[in-house]
Amino acid sequence: DADVTQTPRNRITKTGKRIMLECSQTKGHDRMYWYRQDPGLGLQLIYYSFDVKDINKGEISDGYSVSRQAQAKFSLSLESAIPNQTALYFCATSDTRALQFFGPGTRLTVL
Amino acid sequence: DAKTTQPNSMESNEEEPVHLPCNHSTISGTDYIHWYRQLPSQGPEYVIHGLTSNVNNRMASLAIAEDRKSSTLILHRATLRDAAVYYCIPYDSGTYKYIFGTGTRLKVLA
Repeated sequence: DADVTQTPRNRITKTGKRIMLECSQTKGHDRMYWYRQDPGLGLQLIYYSFDVKDINKGEISDGYSVSRQAQAKFSLSLESAIPNQTALYFCATSDTRALQFFGPGTRLTVL
Repeated sequence: DAKTTQPNSMESNEEEPVHLPCNHSTISGTDYIHWYRQLPSQGPEYVIHGLTSNVNNRMASLAIAEDRKSSTLILHRATLRDAAVYYCIPYDSGTYKYIFGTGTRLKVLA
């Protein structure tokens, strides 16, 4: 079984809809991250969390919110999706050596 | 945040060594240099990391310049499965954040 899982893997939605992307990990890591990747570009950090009570904004947090329900779960929400949020979204965890382990990604299309 | 400069793309023949360069002239003294790669349709995966001295693992070697302003990822014998985008990332140990650039797209020719 994969250490970091993301659901859904693909999602098509309409402008204005609320969307939640979920991430679960079995690695026992405290640190979790959400990234966004646009075509041909690197990853941009949206939010990150060092434990259940610690949430931090990344480079591009506007239009997004997160919830850390437990050590193993970190959800990303788009309260009112817009077309320029169409992208590939990755969740990652990090160990004490700062090595990051990424999920398989969620491809989101906002029409 | 430290900035990195990598070539947009490189090509290599199969079973030949590949040297992927990265400039990170603004890196701080405590930032580790991490390398990740992203295979098509997958999330990034860890390759190697180091601070000052050269590092080797089963996947690759990392050569870090003495002034730490640049580093080179070395794949000793490229295979078709090594075709990917390679990211050089200074890890900010103060903020625990990775800042991804656009990386180098490596094409391996059979």
